[in-house]
Amino acid sequence: GENVEQHPSTLSVQEGDSAVIKCTYSDSASNYFPWYKQELGKRPQLIIDIRSNVGEKKDQRIAVTLNKTAKHFSLHITETQPEDSAVYFCAASRGGGGRLYFGRGTQLTVWP
Amino acid sequence: EAQVTQNPRYLITVTGKKLTVTCSQNMNHEYMSWYRQDPGLGLRQIYYSMNVEVTDKGDVPEGYKVSRKEKRNFPLILESPSPNQTSLYFCASSPRQGLYGYTFGSGTRLTVV
Repeated sequence: GENVEQHPSTLSVQEGDSAVIKCTYSDSASNYFPWYKQELGKRPQLIIDIRSNVGEKKDQRIAVTLNKTAKHFSLHITETQPEDSAVYFCAASRGGGGRLYFGRGTQLTVWP
Repeated sequence: EAQVTQNPRYLITVTGKKLTVTCSQNMNHEYMSWYRQDPGLGLRQIYYSMNVEVTDKGDVPEGYKVSRKEKRNFPLILESPSPNQTSLYFCASSPRQGLYGYTFGSGTRLTVV
């Protein structure tokens, strides 16, 4: 099956700085890559996703990039704010009936 | 409001006492899944269902059962709970497996003593 590795496991940044979280995957057939944000005590929520026919996708301060050749994808958060503090999970799937496999998560802390 | 509803939110039980955690979605999603979340281990899939009467094991199915008799409901059954099943459990649903993001329930924190 798929193996998704996520780094770093913890990340601390100053408010206003950028944060980058990286994930690698093992199954070259994977073609759907969502990112979830989980605030303390709450459920994971989808914040952005990308499909393999796209190299980059942006939504305001959040962007995701995908390198299919190297089998890695990254989440970029610019101008970080304290409310960005949460655990972020990446995931990968073959799509069309394939399972969704999660990374182990990154605890992001944004200091005021 | 479109949502996934889990009950109960919190549960403390004793070893060996059968319990059921309910999950219901009102979005007509085909795909439903159960995850457990433990510190440092992320979200691990227990069971999933691609449609009514179609279920399959995830990565950590031992000690759990599921059923999918109706599209909207996907209960998680622990026939004989043990302390190593103490965890935070999430139910999730999606229109199609692997093609769209999941909608997660609010979670059930289970403690087995």
